[in-house]
Amino acid sequence: AQSVTQLGSHVSVSEGALVLLRCNYSSSVPPYLFWYVQYPNQGLQLLLKYTSAATLVKGINGFEAEFKKSETSFHLTKPSAHMSDAAEYFCAVTPRGSSNTGKLIFGQGTTLQVKP
Amino acid sequence: GAGVSQSPSNKVTEKGKDVELRCDPISGHTALYWYRQSLGQGLEFLIYFQGNSAPDKSGLPSDRFSAERTGGSVSTLTIQRTQQEDSAVYLCASSLAPGMGHQPQHFGDGTRLSIL
Repeated sequence: AQSVTQLGSHVSVSEGALVLLRCNYSSSVPPYLFWYVQYPNQGLQLLLKYTSAATLVKGINGFEAEFKKSETSFHLTKPSAHMSDAAEYFCAVTPRGSSNTGKLIFGQGTTLQVKP
Repeated sequence: GAGVSQSPSNKVTEKGKDVELRCDPISGHTALYWYRQSLGQGLEFLIYFQGNSAPDKSGLPSDRFSAERTGGSVSTLTIQRTQQEDSAVYLCASSLAPGMGHQPQHFGDGTRLSIL
């Protein structure tokens, strides 16, 4: 069964430092890949998605992610962290195919802490 | 425009009682999903509705859980004879028809359910 692994349940960076949040998927056929962010007491907001175009995907709030098929990875990065980036981040996948319902399979989430 | 609306935002009830959670999707979105977010299990898919098709109930954890979607719009998730392990945040999401599966899902802020 398809699964998603996010390495590191907590990541702490200083304001202005590089943010790197890791995500690996398990399927042999690359799925559709998504990164969502969740602020306290709110729902999930889409940051970016990978379908099949460029392997480097740019999203909102300065985030981007690179799809690497050889590594089955879709890591999320941001060159310079802001205090407002502190939140929980979820990597999610859904299999490709015309019968796909679009239901998401989520990783366990990574809490990003940004220190002043 | 209006996003996905969920009510109530918080619900506290006694073990054994029935609860109903409501989701009002974005207008024009034919796909509707319910997910559960709990400390132990992370984010899990529960059920999916698309138009007039039979729902995908494969994620419902027990027969105490049911959901319906009336008129292709508002959805209600019902939990009968609640147990303490049902305590979680229940998230609703909607999207355009998933097609090949990569339509982004828009999430509500969730209903935080606490079973005493």
